[in-house]
Amino acid sequence: GQQLNQSPQSMFIQEGEDVSMNCTSSSIFNTWLWYKQDPGEGPVLLIALYKAGELTSNGRLTAQFGITRKDSFLNISASIPSDVGIYFCAGQLTGNTPLVFGKGTRLSVIA
Amino acid sequence: GAVVSQHPSRVICKSGTSVKIECRSLDFQATTMFWYRQFPKQSLMLMATSNEGSKATYEQGVEKDKFLINHASLTLSTLTVTSAHPEDSSFYICSAPEDPAGEQYFGPGTRLTVT
Repeated sequence: GQQLNQSPQSMFIQEGEDVSMNCTSSSIFNTWLWYKQDPGEGPVLLIALYKAGELTSNGRLTAQFGITRKDSFLNISASIPSDVGIYFCAGQLTGNTPLVFGKGTRLSVIA
Repeated sequence: GAVVSQHPSRVICKSGTSVKIECRSLDFQATTMFWYRQFPKQSLMLMATSNEGSKATYEQGVEKDKFLINHASLTLSTLTVTSAHPEDSSFYICSAPEDPAGEQYFGPGTRLTVT
């Protein structure tokens, strides 16, 4: 199945540092989403982006929907230990279609 | 927000037996539900799309006779793994977009271990 290119695969950062991860696709999506998944649980939606060029924030998280509709990035500012987990980007064509996920970015935060 | 539940959360079964996993939308209707599979340290991969009142559509490489899907009502889809083998051990996650084309909500997942 199709997967999005997500980087980096993993990151080790100090508490308080900012984090950036991004996702690219060979095809266009009309919605980009960012999820966080803790071990043994389903993914939880962090941010949804519905318009090309859109920049959206949710607390310390900021995400952008690329103008070409083929990419997105997620920034986390001032990381804290509870930010640890796996972050997935996902693209969606329309509301009733399945999501195509990136390969994930595993974030570790060192206190 | 809307809630999607899955049952069971964990199941261990012997090779050759069948296992049924339920996915329910608790406070909204979902004509369509999606089943994903996630192997350890990998991403979620779509297995099939479950459609209420009609046959499911399967992704390439997913055996429809092995992974039986039944979407009998607007709030329930079931995935039955038939004649399970150890290589079917995985994390199975369902999701449901709120009708008609709303946000997609994920269930908490079912960890299947086949011994």
